[in-house]
Amino acid sequence: DTGVSQDPRHKITKRGQNVTFRCDPISEHNRLYWYRQTLGQGPEFLTYFQNEAQLEKSRLLSDRFSAERPKGSFSTLEIQRTEQGDSAMYLCASSLSGQGRRYTFGSGTRLTVV
Amino acid sequence: DAKTTQPNSMESNEEEPVHLPCNHSTISGTDYIHWYRQLPSQGPEYVIHGLTSNVNNRMASLAIAEDRKSSTLILHRATLRDAAVYYCILDKETSGSRLTFGEGTQLTVNP
Repeated sequence: DTGVSQDPRHKITKRGQNVTFRCDPISEHNRLYWYRQTLGQGPEFLTYFQNEAQLEKSRLLSDRFSAERPKGSFSTLEIQRTEQGDSAMYLCASSLSGQGRRYTFGSGTRLTVV
Repeated sequence: DAKTTQPNSMESNEEEPVHLPCNHSTISGTDYIHWYRQLPSQGPEYVIHGLTSNVNNRMASLAIAEDRKSSTLILHRATLRDAAVYYCILDKETSGSRLTFGEGTQLTVNP
């Protein structure tokens, strides 16, 4: 169990640029989640996948955000035309499906839009 | 989503037990109670979870009230490394099986 890996750990980008983050879940986990966290707040749910299917998207996920999980393994989260309000920690988590399963979180990608 | 209510902050002394309370009066029969903690600049870390019975693991104990409307996370001997934000979350079958975080309890551990 190597845990959930996220890359990069930090990203600084200029407003208007596109950025892409990657998440590698625990290999046997079929569910993968993306969260966003701003300073002083708890993580906010963005979207989740079961295998390669994206099953739910939060209203927070504007049309500038897109997430994929090809082949049900790693996932990418892309933000187009970044805005300063996108500055946050982006967290990925994975779990097995079914209730009562524990969730394992990665260390996150800290995005700063300047 | 079902709400949980936690104190904003708590303080403890090193090597003393800590009892972190959580109210979840709208819990339904199939909801699991999860606890996670988060250190600065890190992702949340799983602590413990349970359904009806009290649970113990190497990190903590979870005491669940008989009516399940509240629970308590017990750290038996707090260390400085336990200083973190602790989140009590209900894993609801109807929520698409995702965790909804509140603001948690900031635990300060004094040496």
